[in-house]
Amino acid sequence: DTEVTQTPKHLVMGMTNKKSLKCEQHMGHRAMYWYKQKAKKPPELMFVYSYEKLSINESVPSRFSPECPNSSLLNLHLHALQPEDSALYLCASSQVAGAGTEAFFGQGTRLTVV
Amino acid sequence: QKEVEQNSGPLSVPEGAIASLNCTYSDQGSQSFFWYRQYSGKSPELIMFIYSNGDKEDGRFTAQLNKASQYVSLLIRDSQPSDSATYLCAVNDGGSGTYKYIFGTGTRLKVLA
Repeated sequence: DTEVTQTPKHLVMGMTNKKSLKCEQHMGHRAMYWYKQKAKKPPELMFVYSYEKLSINESVPSRFSPECPNSSLLNLHLHALQPEDSALYLCASSQVAGAGTEAFFGQGTRLTVV
Repeated sequence: QKEVEQNSGPLSVPEGAIASLNCTYSDQGSQSFFWYRQYSGKSPELIMFIYSNGDKEDGRFTAQLNKASQYVSLLIRDSQPSDSATYLCAVNDGGSGTYKYIFGTGTRLKVLA
């Protein structure tokens, strides 16, 4: 089983709203990732969590706030987003954040900011 | 900035032919390489990974790695219309201490029936 589950699948939010994206995996993976993907572009790394600790923040604006409450769950809290933040948000996990490990992606959350 | 480069395509091949997708990477220290398939509007799906020089075969897919040339490729034999998708090459980069996956821009493959 290589399943990473993301909810919701679609989200429309206003610029003053607060919302959260959720990601869950039960593969025992200890590394989890948030990527952002715009149309016709590759996935762009936002955050890496390794053993529930934030290891990489790719200079992401503070209106995006990640959280890893336990080894199976990863959240992305959204606040005061801009229309240009509209994108497909992808969660991924891998056994560890190391060489020789494969990352598996969830189905993504299609976010539209209005 | 470490880079992964791919020809954006589209690469058009007739049904039943071999599709050859190529990728180069800039970091000589990279050790792990991945091919993902992404259908329009969907998330990336892992189809192959390769860690050692040479060829690795899985069904109709063969990944080839040449670390000296910093080159990785994906061959798809007996291409089917259902293989039409964007193929993303990814490299696992550990330069910052924690490994992360860096993606190329992807090659769009069209298999013509």
